[in-house]
Amino acid sequence: AQSVTQLDSHVSVSEGTPVLLRCNYSSSYSPSLFWYVQHPNKGLQLLLKYTSAATLVKGINGFEAEFKKSETSFHLTKPSAHMSDAAEYFCVVSSNTGRRALTFGSGTRLQVQP
Amino acid sequence: EPEVTQTPSHQVTQMGQEVILRCVPISNHLYFYWYRQILGQKVEFLVSFYNNEISEKSEIFDDQFSVERPDGSNFTLKIRSTKLEDSAMYFCASSVGAGDSTDTQYFGPGTRLTVL
Repeated sequence: AQSVTQLDSHVSVSEGTPVLLRCNYSSSYSPSLFWYVQHPNKGLQLLLKYTSAATLVKGINGFEAEFKKSETSFHLTKPSAHMSDAAEYFCVVSSNTGRRALTFGSGTRLQVQP
Repeated sequence: EPEVTQTPSHQVTQMGQEVILRCVPISNHLYFYWYRQILGQKVEFLVSFYNNEISEKSEIFDDQFSVERPDGSNFTLKIRSTKLEDSAMYFCASSVGAGDSTDTQYFGPGTRLTVL
């Protein structure tokens, strides 16, 4: 069984300040982990994914995430927030057992204040 | 850039009616998926489809649901007799299907289904 917990339902930052969106996972297997972003009226877009290669993963739009097995965490960060980053972010886990069903976290809504 | 598209964006139906949600996956993709998100809840996996048959399904995907690839481009989700609790956002996704099970799933914008 696998699960994902996103520790914050809402995060508000000022433009130009760092972003931290927290995610913890639980998996019986070595997981693959993803962050997806959803802007209003748009589909879920992949930001980045971890699949057992480098533990620090760089994604699009300046985002990155670090896989920490000892902490079962996969937090998403960005050094400097931009107004266009305002969206809903989902942490997602896949079991790597051949099953393709993704397990989603509950989402974190990021607000960026001018 | 190729995208997954879904129609309609919003569907309103009466309880007990049949609905068909439509998706056009990315053209060279081989795996297709449906997920749903009930308002205020997590996105949940419903079903995956490969080579014209269901490859995985969740407990949610009972006999009321069916999927079909009626032609070379469309992928549909049918709910035979809708219930109030079927009201949700339904997302279609597709993936290339090569290699292992971690290939990226690309999602459409969703269809909001409202059952009255």
